[in-house]
Amino acid sequence: EAGVAQSPRYKIIEKRQSVAFWCNPISGHATLYWYQQILGQGPKLLIQFQNNGVVDDSQLPKDRFSAERLKGVDSTLKIQPAKLEDSAVYLCASSSGLRNIQYFGAGTRLSVL
Amino acid sequence: AQSVAQPEDQVNVAEGNPLTVKCTYSVSGNPYLFWYVQYPNRGLQFLLKYITGDNLVKGSYGFEAEFNKSQTSFHLKKPSALVSDSALYFCAVRDNAGNMLTFGGGTRLMVKP
Repeated sequence: EAGVAQSPRYKIIEKRQSVAFWCNPISGHATLYWYQQILGQGPKLLIQFQNNGVVDDSQLPKDRFSAERLKGVDSTLKIQPAKLEDSAVYLCASSSGLRNIQYFGAGTRLSVL
Repeated sequence: AQSVAQPEDQVNVAEGNPLTVKCTYSVSGNPYLFWYVQYPNRGLQFLLKYITGDNLVKGSYGFEAEFNKSQTSFHLKKPSALVSDSALYFCAVRDNAGNMLTFGGGTRLMVKP
C-alpha cells in the first residue's frame, strides 16, 4: 500500500514570496490533515478535511494560509505572502475516518529567508 | 483544552537496557492516546494507541505503553533498547468527542552501543 505522498521535499523562498505544497493521501482515505512542525516542537494541526469539506481550520492563519481539497483526494496548502516564522516542516497526514489512525507523509521542509 | 507534556527533551540509554519515555496529558473525558516515532527526514510513524481496555498496550517494534488514569500518564517503554531505536518520539492525545490530535513537544531517544 502506497503511503502519503508530498512534494516538494524542500523549498527555499524569500519572505513575501508565495509557496504551495501538494499532498496525495493514501488511497481511500477520506480524512486529510495538514500540520506545521517548527524545529524542536511537535506538529500543530493547521487544517483538517473530510472528503472535500473542512472539518477544522481553527488554527490556520487565514490571512496568509489557504488550503483546498477540491475533488476529495489531493490537497494543496498555500502560503501567500510567506514570513520568516513560517519556516517549518509541513506534514500531510490521512486517515480512513475522522478518529482513526493518522498516517503521515515525509513532509516538506520550508525555509523562508 | 487538551494538552500533552513530555518532560524530557532527551533520554539516553545503553543498548540492551530498558527504556522509558514519559508522557502526561490533560483532556476532558476519556482520552485517546497515541505514540508516534520520527526518524530524520521522515514523517511520523504510528507506534501504538490506547483507546480503552487493558492499561498495557503493545505496539510496533517491541514497544509498549502503560496507561495510568490516576496519574494521567502514558509512558512508552521497551524492555531492551536497540541502537536503531534512536529517534524522536511524540505522544499525542485526543478526547473521545473531538477529532483534533494534540502532540507533545517530543523526546529525543539516544541509544548508545
